[in-house]
Amino acid sequence: EPEVTQTPSHQVTQMGQEVILRCVPISNHLYFYWYRQILGQKVEFLVSFYNNEISEKSEIFDDQFSVERPDGSNFTLKIRSTKLEDSAMYFCASSLQDTQYFGPGTRLTVL
Amino acid sequence: AQRVTQPEKLLSVFKGAPVELKCNYSYSGSPELFWYVQYSRQRLQLLLRHISRESIKGFTADLNKGETSFHLKKPFAQEEDSAMYYCALRAPTGTASKLTFGTGTRLQVTL
Repeated sequence: EPEVTQTPSHQVTQMGQEVILRCVPISNHLYFYWYRQILGQKVEFLVSFYNNEISEKSEIFDDQFSVERPDGSNFTLKIRSTKLEDSAMYFCASSLQDTQYFGPGTRLTVL
Repeated sequence: AQRVTQPEKLLSVFKGAPVELKCNYSYSGSPELFWYVQYSRQRLQLLLRHISRESIKGFTADLNKGETSFHLKKPFAQEEDSAMYYCALRAPTGTASKLTFGTGTRLQVTL
């Protein structure tokens, strides 16, 4: 059964550095999402993406964040200048219609 | 605004006992409701969606619009049911619309 994959599984970075989190959605899916989960808190929506543009974004998704689908398979989340409070699990998801399928997550630790 | 409330952080039951994981929502309209499960060290997996009206792994959930609830139930808990369970809501405003999650309930099934 096809699955969403994410790399790396764990990323450690220094405050102020740029990070790129990568996702490979399920191949025939059309809609892509990023969520995050700060330790001990709920899973929060960041952004959705369809037809090469952002469909919806949350208040969390400020100018420090950007998403891109650079080729036919990858979907990336870039954080330009990481802050301590960006430390979280970042989940990518994809959907063909209304059911979203999640990747295993990338744990981002900002020091 | 849409909101999902899961009042219990932890629910501990004995094997063979009935399980009810509570979920209440707030949404001005007819939302779509989902239950996702996360087993230890695994990704979020879809367990149930209310529009499917199906039973998965013995679990069922009924949408009660009057009480704005979508409680997850199973008549006889099994050890392998131990996991984090997340209730999620999706506004039917478009295919790429976000999921809003509750804080999750950890189900612990003991012998």
